[in-house]
Amino acid sequence: AQRVTQPEKLLSVFKGAPVELKCNYSYSGSPELFWYVQYSRQRLQLLLRHISRESIKGFTADLNKGETSFHLKKPFAQEEDSAMYYCALMSGGSYIPTFGRGTSLIVHP
Amino acid sequence: NAGVTQTPKFQVLKTGQSMTLQCAQDMNHEYMSWYRQDPGMGLRLIHYSVGAGITDQGEVPNGYNVSRSTTEDFPLRLLSAAPSQTSVYFCASSVTSGVYNEQFFGPGTRLTVL
Repeated sequence: AQRVTQPEKLLSVFKGAPVELKCNYSYSGSPELFWYVQYSRQRLQLLLRHISRESIKGFTADLNKGETSFHLKKPFAQEEDSAMYYCALMSGGSYIPTFGRGTSLIVHP
Repeated sequence: NAGVTQTPKFQVLKTGQSMTLQCAQDMNHEYMSWYRQDPGMGLRLIHYSVGAGITDQGEVPNGYNVSRSTTEDFPLRLLSAAPSQTSVYFCASSVTSGVYNEQFFGPGTRLTVL
């Protein structure tokens, strides 16, 4: 069985501080990992996928197979980053991802 | 394209009532799914479909039915509403499996069961 764990329900930081939203997964095969974001009064949307290895809105995420982690990082948080963030896992050949419980990020001015 | 649409946006039901949450997409996506979002519980998969005529259960299917008669529509039926079904419901669609998958979400339906 596959599982996604986001240990923090809430992460509160000040503007300009570094941010790390943790995501750990359990899956025996090669995982496909994603971060989704839900801004206030907006739809859930894809933020980034591990295969792309790109930075989106200053966020990056590295897949660490040894630690089974896919933490989301940003060196300098902005107020507009305040949102709910979900880590998601797809197993090989699956069509529908498994989501974690989400982390609410609040960036204070 | 309208993307994924959901109706209604808000709904209040009494215990025991039934209703259907509507979901439609105009992107010709094969895969569609229903999630519920509860505080502290994240997104939990209720039912999903990999194409017209094919549906399967997710993590929390009890109390819900689905059907997929067309590619575009994927309604979710609550058979006999219970207060435990108070939640925000999201419909999503996607066109590919694997590493380039992207789920497109609807705006959600906020359901309260009294």
